[in-house]
Order: sequence, then C-alpha cells, then structure tokens
Amino acid sequence: AQRVTQPEKLLSVFKGAPVELKCNYSYSGSPELFWYVQYSRQRLQLLLRHISRESIKGFTADLNKGETSFHLKKPFAQEEDSAMYYCALSGPTSGTYKYIFGTGTRLKVLA
Amino acid sequence: DAMVIQNPRYQVTQFGKPVTLSCSQTLNHNVMYWYQQKSSQAPKLLFHYYDKDFNNEADTPDNFQSRRPNTSFCFLDIRSPGLGDAAMYLCATSREQRYEQYFGPGTRLTVT
Repeated sequence: AQRVTQPEKLLSVFKGAPVELKCNYSYSGSPELFWYVQYSRQRLQLLLRHISRESIKGFTADLNKGETSFHLKKPFAQEEDSAMYYCALSGPTSGTYKYIFGTGTRLKVLA
Repeated sequence: DAMVIQNPRYQVTQFGKPVTLSCSQTLNHNVMYWYQQKSSQAPKLLFHYYDKDFNNEADTPDNFQSRRPNTSFCFLDIRSPGLGDAAMYLCATSREQRYEQYFGPGTRLTVT
C-alpha cells in the first residue's frame, strides 16, 4: 500500500534544541518527497523537496531509500519554527500521479 | 500578489443545497488539485486536472465534481452537501504532476 507515515502528532522542544520530525513512506517505485509547512493562519507552503537537496530556514531532509525515510532535521530550533509540518510524496501510478500527504506533526518550540 | 486564490474563504450552505467553490491561479500551471481537509487530518486529494484531463481519486464520492473551463480557473461542485462534507477545501497547483504544489488559503465549508 502507498502511504506516508508521520508517527508523532505533536513534538515539543525547547528553543535551541535539535529537532527531528520523522517521516516514513511506503511506495513501489521512486517517488518525489516533500516537506510542507503551515504556520498559524497561513496557507500550506512548500518547505523543501528531496530532489533539490537544499536547506531552507535551517531545515534539511535526507532521503534514505533503504529505510524509506525522509526525516526533517534542524540543529537549533527557533520559536518561529512552531507550525504544522506535513511530509508528502508524489509518484507515477497507473498512468497518472499519486500525491499523498502524511497526517502531520505539530511542532511546538518552547521558550 | 497571491498566486492561488480561493473564493469564498468561508461558505455556509444548507444540507442538500448545491454549492460551488472557486479557485484561480496566476502561475499558468498545468495541474490543479482539490483537497478536502477535516480537523486534525491530512489533506485528502479529491481529484486533479492535468491541463484538461480530469483525474478522479477512486474513493472520491460522486457527490463531488469539478470543472476547469480554462487554465486559470477550477471549480469544485458539491451537488448535495451532507453534514459530513463540512471541511476546509484546499486548491493547489503545480507546474507538472511530480513537482511541488502551491496552495490557496482554503475555503471553510459549513453545512447546516
């Protein structure tokens, strides 16, 4: 079955502490992986995608095909990182593309 | 300079009364998506258009339909809304199907 799993509904960390938001996926093929973020009262927006291998707002994510994971990491959390984070994948299936979102992890960064 | 616009932002309709939600984009993207998001749940893809080609998700109820009259606009029609259809409806676009999506602010639908 094709799915994206984010095991933590809520993650609370103190400011300055490292953050890791977990994402595991199940997909037969080579999907594209993304992290999206939704700040309070703002629209859902792309944070980063695995293919660009970039760092955005200090966040990085490495695609581990062996473990089928795409965890999001930041070495030092900031209060402004508090938001809802969704892991998502897209991949071809039956002549079209599948786009699947995980259930999301709410990150709270405490002062 | 909003790139994906949804109207209205809030919609109240009565049980069984048809309702249409609107989405427009200034990005000239090929693909437009409609998602349903209920409280504390992930966005659930209802369908998407690749250009004029309509792609329905297997589990999208027949009650939900969509139209894309041109590149810029896409509509979500709910023929007979039930109480269970109350949700946030998100429109998104992408240049191609495998690329990142750009989301609108959403329309919150209430069914009374």
